[in-house]
Amino acid sequence: ETGVTQTPRHLVMGMTNKKSLKCEQHLGHNAMYWYKQSAKKPLELMFVYSLEERVENNSVPSRFSPECPNSSHLFLHLHTLQPEDSALYLCASSQDSGPIYEQYFGPGTRLTVT
Amino acid sequence: GQSLEQPSEVTAVEGAIVQINCTYQTSGFYGLSWYQQHDGGAPTFLSYNALDGLEETGRFSSFLSRSDSYGYLLLQELQMKDSASYFCASKAAGNKLTFGGGTRVLVKP
Repeated sequence: ETGVTQTPRHLVMGMTNKKSLKCEQHLGHNAMYWYKQSAKKPLELMFVYSLEERVENNSVPSRFSPECPNSSHLFLHLHTLQPEDSALYLCASSQDSGPIYEQYFGPGTRLTVT
Repeated sequence: GQSLEQPSEVTAVEGAIVQINCTYQTSGFYGLSWYQQHDGGAPTFLSYNALDGLEETGRFSSFLSRSDSYGYLLLQELQMKDSASYFCASKAAGNKLTFGGGTRVLVKP
């Protein structure tokens, strides 16, 4: 595997379910991110992890719970979601050095909450 | 907080030149990035401007004016495969990227 991978690619869940999204980066980066992309809205930054520490929680509801067990893996635990949480959830990674700041995105998980 | 404004849609023909403008209001601005996203795909990095001026990478160029809180992405010699959404994003401290709403570029034959 290369780059940033995400599983599952598609997920349908009921409002009472608990599920987790997984992200893995194979780039040796030291920062990872979760974004939400809804139709007709800008990408919204949800969480930032730098060196496995959460450095940003962008006013995200507690029904979204991130976990970063090591610098290569990032999870987003979901519980009691609402239909408006249906969106594409993107994971990204970056390296905090050099003059060019670039984030590498995974293909995303298309989440539908019924 | 941070906000970025860019046009929602641009249509052009193959071989043409398209300029996508981005104006931003930010605190703690570090630089401006551009990303391309094809339908159903992941955003991919195009360019990053930390300093004023023009950065050229092949057919794509990006410009930044920090004094005007303004930047643009220039797409030259448009090809059908350039049909996609293009996002500007401002970088702040703590590796925070704030994205604009995206500009959908439609290239016609």
